[in-house]
This record gives sequence, structure tokens and C-alpha cells, in this order.
Amino acid sequence: DAGVIQSPRHEVTEMGQEVTLRCKPISGHDYLFWYRQTMMRGLELLIYFNNNVPIDDSGMPEDRFSAKMPNASFSTLKIQPSEPRDSAVYFCASSLSAAATNEKLFFGSGTQLSVL
Amino acid sequence: SQQGEEDPQALSIQEGENATMNCSYKTSINNLQWYRQNSGRGLVHLILIRSNEREKHSGRLRVTLDTSKKSSSLLITASRAADTASYFCATVFRGAQKLVFGQGTRLTINP
Repeated sequence: DAGVIQSPRHEVTEMGQEVTLRCKPISGHDYLFWYRQTMMRGLELLIYFNNNVPIDDSGMPEDRFSAKMPNASFSTLKIQPSEPRDSAVYFCASSLSAAATNEKLFFGSGTQLSVL
Repeated sequence: SQQGEEDPQALSIQEGENATMNCSYKTSINNLQWYRQNSGRGLVHLILIRSNEREKHSGRLRVTLDTSKKSSSLLITASRAADTASYFCATVFRGAQKLVFGQGTRLTINP
């Protein structure tokens, strides 16, 4: 298995532009998570899906952020409009079932986003 | 915050020495997990310990869990240069389905 695949690896954009981050989870995994990592705030959970349905989006910082999972093999995280404070590394992770049932997360390599 | 807190924030030791990192948390958990992150990479799962377990081993890794003190420790024995990375504890709180990460310990192994 190729693992969790994220694209792009790096994204540089100007303030106000729309940014779309993409993720392909491991086949057969029921849960998909989007995390954001910064030096100041560490790893923050933004949103997670179970069987393509958003379960908890309480970590999404603002209405500028939206996430979708149209099918079991693809998810997007969109920021519109982007701001410099959105600069961070965004990780996608997937798991076979719920973490509460003692499952580990598999992480992608992340997208380094820089908003100028 | 429900985040676990790692201690120390940074640790630098000589190759061959043992490294110990600690994690404390605030509420009851289902399980606690440790992850490693090499620079510029994603996180990699190391070990999971359930709330009813007290100790687990995996190769050179030893994890302990003390639910009465709400704390866990990760011991890496006979450290190697390749162990240089950041190490995170992550907890699944009772009633929740999500993993919450601490701020991490940055470990540097000097040759």
C-alpha cells in the first residue's frame, strides 16, 4: 500500500487566493483526519470524517475553511480566502476504525502552505 | 486544554545513552499513543498502550502508563543517531473518537 497520499507537498500563494489541499487515504480505512501543525499551536485537529461523513469540525478555525469527502478515496481541505496566518503544515491521516477502539493513525507527508 | 503535555520540550544526549520522555494529561483516557516525526515528514506511530495496561515494549522502546497520575513515559534504550526526531504523545479521551496530540519533545542524539 502506498500509504496516505497528500498533494501538493508545497504550496505558496498570495493572500486572498483560494487554496485546495488534497488527500487520498489508505484503502479500506473508515476514518480520515485533517490536522494543522504550527510552531505556536502544535498539532491541531481540524476535522474528521467517518465513512465520508464529517463527524466533528469543531477545530475548523473559521468559515474560510471547508472540507469535503466526496468518496472513500478522496478528501479536500479548502481555504478561501487564504491569509498569512494560515501558513502551516497540513496533515491528512487515516485509520482503520475509530481511535477510541485502539487504532493507530497513518499520516501523509503533509502539505507545507505558505501564504504571502 | 485537553492536550497532553510532554516533558522535556527538548532533550540532547550522546549516542548509546537512554532517552526518557514524559507525557501528562488531564482527563480519563481510552488509550495513549506515541508517535515520531522526523524533520519535514509526517508522524509515524510507535506504540499504543491501553488504559488498562501499565507497560508495553516494542524493540528498544518501553512505554509505561500510570492512570492514577495521568502520566506516561517513553524510554528509548541504546539511542542511535537515527532516533533524532520529535516525539509526541497522543490521547483518546473517554467518549471521544479523536486523537489529541501534545506539543512534543525534540530529541537530538549526538554521535
